[in-house]
Amino acid sequence: EVQLVESGGGLVQPGRSLRLSCTASGFTFGDYAMNWVRQAPGKGLEWVGFIRSKAYGETTEYAASVKGRFTISRDDSKSIVYLQMNSLKTEDTAVYYCTRLEWEYKWWGQGTLVTVSS
Amino acid sequence: QSALTQPASVSGSPGQSITISCTGTSSDIGGYNYVSWYQQHPGKVPKLMIYEVSNRPSGVSNRFSGSKSGNAASLTISGLQAEDEADYYCNSYTSSSTYVFGTGTKVTVL
Repeated sequence: EVQLVESGGGLVQPGRSLRLSCTASGFTFGDYAMNWVRQAPGKGLEWVGFIRSKAYGETTEYAASVKGRFTISRDDSKSIVYLQMNSLKTEDTAVYYCTRLEWEYKWWGQGTLVTVSS
Repeated sequence: QSALTQPASVSGSPGQSITISCTGTSSDIGGYNYVSWYQQHPGKVPKLMIYEVSNRPSGVSNRFSGSKSGNAASLTISGLQAEDEADYYCNSYTSSSTYVFGTGTKVTVL
């Protein structure tokens, strides 16, 4: 069974950095693009970005709101996808979900909460 | 990329049918058949209900159906049940090789 487990969330001050991890199991991780979605408290879903598989160059795409501040990477040997978040802003406060990407998001992790506050 | 436009709320009585609209542009919904819909109950992880405009994943009730016309997509829930009360989000691939979600719709079963 496909499982995705996010970790690394917590309280961080504005301007600081945080790295989230998403550990996958139950499928051949290297064959799939991986995706991040976030949801601010009481708000809707927001697409953050994704990373293609090695077969497609591990290239990345990002939402305009995070481009230049967030970086997605992957370690296929460990079945982990990372979300490096720099220059964090209060508006980045959200639950961050990783998903497996196949044009849609069938498999989701349980999410990890990131709170950006002084 | 602006969020796709959905009505803030839709309501219906048990057994009725409701339709949630999702309006985009020719750069997203109108340009691709990669429209998906997600159901989210309070405090829960979103669940895929429809993918590629009108396909249902295994395990999703056939009371849920999707369609697309031009730059707009729709999710129809027939035979509305109490358990369908939730938030619903559409999502589309875009011409910038990115994705965009809709603004979200709260479905209330009266």
